[in-house]
Amino acid sequence: DTGVSQDPRHKITKRGQNVTFRCDPISEHNRLYWYRQTLGQGPEFLTYFQNEAQLEKSRLLSDRFSAERPKGSFSTLEIQRTEQGDSAMYLCASSLQEAGYEQYFGPGTRLTVT
Amino acid sequence: EDQVTQSPEALRLQEGESSSLNCSYTVSGLRGLFWYRQDPGKGPEFLFTLYSAGEEKEKERLKATLTKKESFLHITAPKPEDSATYLCAVGVYTGGFKTIFGAGTRLFVKA
Repeated sequence: DTGVSQDPRHKITKRGQNVTFRCDPISEHNRLYWYRQTLGQGPEFLTYFQNEAQLEKSRLLSDRFSAERPKGSFSTLEIQRTEQGDSAMYLCASSLQEAGYEQYFGPGTRLTVT
Repeated sequence: EDQVTQSPEALRLQEGESSSLNCSYTVSGLRGLFWYRQDPGKGPEFLFTLYSAGEEKEKERLKATLTKKESFLHITAPKPEDSATYLCAVGVYTGGFKTIFGAGTRLFVKA
């Protein structure tokens, strides 16, 4: 069990560019979650997948954010036309349906928009 | 509106000085209350899940309890390595599912 992995760990981009992050969950976990965390705050829920189905998406997300989990394994989070306010740590977590909703987090991708 | 509030925001303890962290919540469709530990620059680390009022869980120096409106994380005889941010979260059934986190309590334990 190698845990949840995220790539890249750090991303610096210019305002207006598109960025994509990848998350590989724990291998047998069928639930996957994305969060955004800014300094001094708790993680903010973005979206939730069960297998390949996106079952919940935060109303806080604008149309610039999209997430996919095409085969129920890894997931990608894309941010289009990045803004300085998008600078944050983006966290991915996974869980096993039979184990309830206890989530195991990856190390995060730190995004800086200049 | 679903909400999770943690207090205090920060807590400074001497090694061996026991204390409690509070998490109060107002949600509909509760699907569990979770405690996590987060070290600087890392993702949260799962500690406990509580599902019903009266439930208690323990792990080493930590004990989590749950009532209908709040949860407590009790830290007994803390050590400097317990210094971290402790996050409380609730799972909410929406037809789907979402998690709402509190802002956390930053714990500092001095030797």
